[in-house]
Amino acid sequence: KQEVTQIPAALSVPEGENLVLNCSFTDSAIYNLQWFRQDPGKGLTSLLLIQSSQREQTSGRLNASLDKSSGRSTLYIAASQPGDSATYLCAVPNNAGNMLTFGGGTRLMVKP
Amino acid sequence: GAGVSQSPRYKVAKRGQDVALRCDPISGHVSLFWYQQALGQGPEFLTYFQNEAQLDKSGLPSDRFFAERPEGSVSTLKIQRTQQEDSAVYLCASSLYTPTRPGTSGVASSYNEQFFGPGTRLTVL
Repeated sequence: KQEVTQIPAALSVPEGENLVLNCSFTDSAIYNLQWFRQDPGKGLTSLLLIQSSQREQTSGRLNASLDKSSGRSTLYIAASQPGDSATYLCAVPNNAGNMLTFGGGTRLMVKP
Repeated sequence: GAGVSQSPRYKVAKRGQDVALRCDPISGHVSLFWYQQALGQGPEFLTYFQNEAQLDKSGLPSDRFFAERPEGSVSTLKIQRTQQEDSAVYLCASSLYTPTRPGTSGVASSYNEQFFGPGTRLTVL
C-alpha cells in the first residue's frame, strides 16, 4: 500500500525566505505526483503536476522536483510572501488512476 | 466557468442522526470522487464514480456510509447514524475523463486532473 509522508508538518518563516517542502512515497511505481495548496476552509488548488518522465516543473516562484528512484519530491518556494501561508499537500495516484493518496501536509506560515 | 460546488458548507449533527452531503461536479465531468479529511490530516479516498456507476467504494469506512450519483452528475454522500469519529471535512472532486495510465488505451493517456470543491465540514456532537 502506498504511503506518502510530508516533512515538516509545520513551518514558520519570515517573509522573503526561500524554503523547501519535502514529500516522500513508499511505492516508486508512480506515473505522476501532484502538489496542492489548501487555504483554511477551502478546497484544494492544484499547483504543479510532475509526470514520471519529468524531473521538475516550474510555475512562477514555485519549483517542484521528482526523484522516483529515491521516492522523493520537493516543492521549492522562492522569496516567500505572507500570501503563501497555507497547507501544502502532495499526492500520488494509484495504479488504476482512480484515487489519490495524500501526504499529511505541511502547514506554512510566512510572517511579514 | 463554475467549479465544483458542495453543500452544505457546514453541518452540525447530533450523534445518531443521518446526514446527506451534496456535490455538484463541473458540468460534463465524467469522474467524481469523494474524500474524507480529518483535522490536521491529508484527504483520504472514499469512493469513485464513472458517470452513474460506482466503480470503487473501497475507502468507505463502514456500511453507514453510502454514496450515489443516479444521473451521472450530482452526487450525494449519506452517512447514517453519525458517530463522533465521522467529524471531518468531506471533499468532492471531479475530472473530465475516466482515469487512464500512460501507455494504456482510453480517452486520454495523460493524467486526468481532479478539481476539488470547497468541502463540507461535518461536526458530530
